[in-house]
Amino acid sequence: GQQLNQSPQSMFIQEGEDVSMNCTSSSIFNTWLWYKQDPGEGPVLLIALYKAGELTSNGRLTAQFGITRKDSFLNISASIPSDVGIYFCAGQSTGNQFYFGTGTSLTVIP
Amino acid sequence: SAVISQKPSRDICQRGTSLTIQCQVDSQVTMMFWYRQQPGQSLTLIATANQGSEATYESGFVIDKFPISRPNLTFSTLTVSNMSPEDSSIYLCSVAGRGGTDTQYFGPGTRLTVL
Repeated sequence: GQQLNQSPQSMFIQEGEDVSMNCTSSSIFNTWLWYKQDPGEGPVLLIALYKAGELTSNGRLTAQFGITRKDSFLNISASIPSDVGIYFCAGQSTGNQFYFGTGTSLTVIP
Repeated sequence: SAVISQKPSRDICQRGTSLTIQCQVDSQVTMMFWYRQQPGQSLTLIATANQGSEATYESGFVIDKFPISRPNLTFSTLTVSNMSPEDSSIYLCSVAGRGGTDTQYFGPGTRLTVL
């Protein structure tokens, strides 16, 4: 299976700071999804992107579907303590399977 | 979003035994998938569960070890066969294609420990 390269692997930031993470792949994807996973839970969908170049916001979260269809980024503005968790990107291949990034662990220091 | 349940939520099993995990979704979906997430790791796709036909397995996963059933559009099972401690992991069911979109939603996962 494929695995997407996600960076950074971990981040330690002060509350109120902005966060940016990205995902790259050697393959083209039709859909990009961003998830957050808390310990002991399944991933929860944050944002879905369906079209190359698409920029979508969900509250303090903004994500973009790269124009080459091989990358995506997620920004979180004005971070708060409950943003702590592991963030994953996922890309849907032309065969309709979803493959996950390696994850970004976010720690927010109050 | 879809409401997905998995049973059991966790189990502790002896090596050499098998465990079947059930996934139920509250509405018909086009696609169902099974993932494995080892401690501290990302999610790895095991297979796509195909309704009425054999599952499509990813490289490194085989039907003899992970038999999958999908008898209808709302239910699937994954069996972890002849378990070893290396199979200790979280197994997650996901669905996509509800309402014609390709958005993927996850169940809560099954935490498996093999002694």
